[in-house]
Amino acid sequence: QKEVEQDPGPLSVPEGAIVSLNCTYSNSAFQYFMWYRQYSRKGPELLMYTYSSGNKEDGRFTAQVDKSSKYISLFIRDSQPSDSATYLCAMEGGLGGGSNYKLTFGKGTLLTVNP
Amino acid sequence: KAGVTQTPRYLIKTRGQQVTLSCSPISGHRSVSWYQQTPGQGLQFLFEYFSETQRNKGNFPGRFSGRQFSNSRSEMNVSTLELGDSALYLCASSLARRDRGNNSPLHFGNGTRLTVT
Repeated sequence: QKEVEQDPGPLSVPEGAIVSLNCTYSNSAFQYFMWYRQYSRKGPELLMYTYSSGNKEDGRFTAQVDKSSKYISLFIRDSQPSDSATYLCAMEGGLGGGSNYKLTFGKGTLLTVNP
Repeated sequence: KAGVTQTPRYLIKTRGQQVTLSCSPISGHRSVSWYQQTPGQGLQFLFEYFSETQRNKGNFPGRFSGRQFSNSRSEMNVSTLELGDSALYLCASSLARRDRGNNSPLHFGNGTRLTVT
């Protein structure tokens, strides 16, 4: 079982739709959870960052973490064509750092928002 | 503030050759991490450098190496290139050393696209 699983999509929605993107993970040591957005031919850009369980909202974006289920989500409200990109979940953790402390990414979900 | 700069953007090499990729971090950032991105494996951690020393390493063969200079700029080298090394190589910088568990956010460059023929 891979440490982080993410549905690769592709996901196609009409403009204005609510988008739900998800990842599951197996490593219970993960404590920090991130979502990155990657446009074609660009590097990943940090969108959202959460620590442990709970919700975090930033404009049209909401990140949720459920550590008991080892499940994280990113919701995009009122989606726009400019949101069309690959969305990558990422996580890391473990007390005290060390050689196992490195960001582990999902493979990404390709999202297209159609005007 | 300028972002992370990677050069060159594109590179085509032949099997058996070696290649050096360059990364200039955001001004003031002292940690540089390298990642390989492929369609099959996604983003995989190569190594992290801080204060000119490798602090953390992923599961890649010894053909992959790197170094960091006193101005925090970093280079990554791949020797004896194989077809499977074709990938997007991403450099990311952060303010603090990451292997100590401080989760200093990573800021990525736009990568170097390496094609091995």
